[in-house]
Amino acid sequence: DQQVKQNSPSLSVQEGRISILNCDYTNSMFDYFLWYKKYPAEGPTFLISISSIKDKNEDGRFTVFLNKSAKHLSLHIVPSQPGDSAVYFCAASAPGYALNFGKGTSLLVTP
Amino acid sequence: KAGVTQTPRYLIKTRGQQVTLSCSPISGHRSVSWYQQTPGQGLQFLFEYFSETQRNKGNFPGRFSGRQFSNSRSEMNVSTLELGDSALYLCASSGPGGGGTEAFFGQGTRLTVV
Repeated sequence: DQQVKQNSPSLSVQEGRISILNCDYTNSMFDYFLWYKKYPAEGPTFLISISSIKDKNEDGRFTVFLNKSAKHLSLHIVPSQPGDSAVYFCAASAPGYALNFGKGTSLLVTP
Repeated sequence: KAGVTQTPRYLIKTRGQQVTLSCSPISGHRSVSWYQQTPGQGLQFLFEYFSETQRNKGNFPGRFSGRQFSNSRSEMNVSTLELGDSALYLCASSGPGGGGTEAFFGQGTRLTVV
């Protein structure tokens, strides 16, 4: 049972434009959400997170938005750069439980 | 400080064999989680160990097992390997608060079953 869903397997964006990656979750107990970035043959690296008490968190070019009522979060990358091309995983957790990951969205930023 | 270390990086095994993978977490981290990554399936949670006890478990058959030692190092064992077990196995460690907070991943062990 997939509790964290990333419905877009892939996304292609032009360099300099905004990339928006979406994630939905079903478990209302989740209270902490994270985005990870993964290059081939490497482990995922932490990108940005948000607690359920917030609706926005920003770190440089990366902003995560959380809509608790819709059980939806999104990652915005502005401006997108070719080095951002990677697979992005959304993850969610509830207290005392391990991270629950989506299937990932492969982002391609073209020059 | 040193990151999460997984050994070996690559492994080729034959169907029916067993395999043991190792993970050394970041110093001071007591939570270690294991994930399986296969194409199109994302990161599927195997189990989490916290202070030598299995705290959470995913939906994998009993052929998949693990343990954690007093120094927080963890091992994962897969017995009676099947072709479908071919995957990237990732280990993640979390801070003193345990699993569910920001996790730091190792580079993974690429297991190929032939």
